Amino acid sequence: AQSVSQHNHHVILSEAASLELGCNYSYGGTVNLFWYVQYPGQHLQLLLKYFSGDPLVKGIKGFEAEFIKSKFSFNLRKPSVQWSDTAEYFCAASYGNNRLAFGKGNQVVVIP
Amino acid sequence: EAQVTQNPRYLITVTGKKLTVTCSQNMNHEYMSWYRQDPGLGLRQIYYSMNVEVTDKGDVPEGYKVSRKEKRNFPLILESPSPNQTSLYFCASSLSRLGDQPQHFGDGTRLSIL
Repeated sequence: AQSVSQHNHHVILSEAASLELGCNYSYGGTVNLFWYVQYPGQHLQLLLKYFSGDPLVKGIKGFEAEFIKSKFSFNLRKPSVQWSDTAEYFCAASYGNNRLAFGKGNQVVVIP
Repeated sequence: EAQVTQNPRYLITVTGKKLTVTCSQNMNHEYMSWYRQDPGLGLRQIYYSMNVEVTDKGDVPEGYKVSRKEKRNFPLILESPSPNQTSLYFCASSLSRLGDQPQHFGDGTRLSIL
């Protein structure tokens, strides 16, 4: 079954620290990859996406992600977090079979 | 403004009492989908629809029904709700009928089944 794994469900860090969230997807041929963010009490919003081309993808709010095909990974990074980055982050994969698989999410808390 | 609208936002009800959560999008999107979000489990897809009158099961369809009679609307029906369906529900739509484009999410519906 196609699936997405996210590690370290809870992450606590201080402002200005660097953030990296891991995402691994199961093999399934061509895959489109996404990172979504959910701020407290809000709906999910798209941070960035990867379909093809440059494996280093830049998104909104200073986030970026790197697609590494050999590792089936799509890790999210931000060099310097802010308190406003406190949120839950979800990795998702679409395998072109009309289904979308989400990881279990990373709850990130940034301490001022 | 492009949006996905869900109603109601909050609902507390009792076991066995049929309920419907409505979802409407104004972006002329082909693909619509329902998810439930539970702590520690992330989002799980319940049902999806690639177009009018075309629906299919996601990962957790048991206890739910959907319909797609119009392109803009995709209601979620719980014929006989049970406490294990207490959850936060999100409707989403996407431009491509394959669902492989970014999803636009509604604000969510928090259901409590007593």
